[in-house]
Amino acid sequence: NAGVMQNPRHLVRRRGQEARLRCSPMKGHSHVYWYRQLPEEGLKFMVYLQKENIIDESGMPKERFSAEFPKEGPSILRIQQVVRGDSAAYFCASSPQDRTTIYFGEGSWLTVV
Amino acid sequence: QQQVKQSPQSLIVQKGGISIINCAYENTAFDYFPWYQQFPGKGPALLIAIRPDVSEKKEGRFTISFNKSAKQFSLHIMDSQPGDSATYFCAASWSSGTYKYIFGTGTRLKVLA
Repeated sequence: NAGVMQNPRHLVRRRGQEARLRCSPMKGHSHVYWYRQLPEEGLKFMVYLQKENIIDESGMPKERFSAEFPKEGPSILRIQQVVRGDSAAYFCASSPQDRTTIYFGEGSWLTVV
Repeated sequence: QQQVKQSPQSLIVQKGGISIINCAYENTAFDYFPWYQQFPGKGPALLIAIRPDVSEKKEGRFTISFNKSAKQFSLHIMDSQPGDSATYFCAASWSSGTYKYIFGTGTRLKVLA
C-alpha cells in the first residue's frame, strides 16, 4: 500500500525557469493538499484540490503558481519564472473521503540558483 | 484568528525524561488537533490526534492533553529516547471548512543519550 508519492525529490532550477512538481495520492484518496515549508519554518497551506476541481487556493501566491489534479494522472504544482524565494520544500498530502487525517509525501525540495 | 502558536521553539531533554510541547489556538471552530513528527529530509508523519470532546489521548509513550476552555493542547513524550529527536508540529483543522490544516511553527526536540 504505497503512500503519497512525490517527484522529483530534488529539483534545481535557474531563475526564470519553470518548476513542475508531481504528486500521486494514496490509493483510494481523492483529496490532495499542497504545503510549502521554508527553511526552519512551519508548513504553510497552499491549495486543496479534488479531481478536476480546485476547492481552496487561499494560500497560493497570486502570480506564477498554479495547481491541478486532472481526472487521470497525478496532481501537478507548477511554478513559472521561479525566483530564489521559491526555494523550499513542497509537500503534497492526501486524505480519504472523510478528510479528517491527511498523509504527507516525502516532499520535493526545490532549489533556485 | 487562524493561527496556531507553538512553544518552545527548541527543546533539549535527557534520555528517559519527559518532553512537553505546547500549542494554543484562537479559532473555536477548530475541531481536530493532530501532531506530526518530521525527521530531516522527510515528510511529516502523523503521530497522534485528538478531538475536543476528550481531554486526553494516549498512544504508547505519546499523550495529548487538551484544555478546551483555555484553547490549549500539548504533546507529552514519556521516557524520551534519542530516536525521538525530530521536529514536532501541532496543527488544527475544522470540519465545517475545507479541512486544511493550520500548523504551528514547530519544535525541534533533541534527546541526549
